[in-house]
Amino acid sequence: NAGVTQTPKFQVLKTGQSMTLQCAQDMNHNSMYWYRQDPGMGLRLIYYSASEGTTDKGEVPNGYNVSRLNKREFSLRLESAAPSQTSVYFCASELSSYNEQFFGPGTRLTVL
Amino acid sequence: GQQVMQIPQYQHVQEGEDFTTYCNSSTTLSNIQWYKQRPGGHPVFLIQLVKSGEVKKQKRLTFQFGEAKKNSSLHITATQTTDVGTYFCAGPRNTNAGKSTFGDGTTLTVKP
Repeated sequence: NAGVTQTPKFQVLKTGQSMTLQCAQDMNHNSMYWYRQDPGMGLRLIYYSASEGTTDKGEVPNGYNVSRLNKREFSLRLESAAPSQTSVYFCASELSSYNEQFFGPGTRLTVL
Repeated sequence: GQQVMQIPQYQHVQEGEDFTTYCNSSTTLSNIQWYKQRPGGHPVFLIQLVKSGEVKKQKRLTFQFGEAKKNSSLHITATQTTDVGTYFCAGPRNTNAGKSTFGDGTTLTVKP
């Protein structure tokens, strides 16, 4: 069991470029999440997916889109990257509501 | 906005001293979770508290959930260098914007 995997681990983009962050879990979890963490700060929810086929906005969704491709995979897309999106991005999965969340190792994104 | 507030933001202790972080909410929480994030790592689930007044222990860590279910604490006895990291509490959101909201965390440093 790999748990939650994320790719890439590191990425540097120029302003205006686009990219997709990939996340996959092999625990048959229903819910998946995308968070961003800025230096010295907590985790802010970008988008989440309560189950396959559904996605909902979190507290900071602007500038991002998501796709719940299937039960295993939940991707995050930046259509036109901005320096304000420089952050560490964590994907997490959860069996069902209010269970423990399992986090991936994170993607460290820098937008120049 | 944030539903759970954590204090202090930073705590520096000498190895062997005790450490406590507090999590407070203005509303009643159905449950609270605690996570630990090592420097450069990802959050890892520690425990979930559900019952009013609940106290749980994990070796040197003691977790409490207040009687009114509006606050919680994590106490570490006789800190060790392996305890360094950021400790987050997470409580359910009372809006539709996602499932759980994380506090900003308390970062613990331990001087040998």
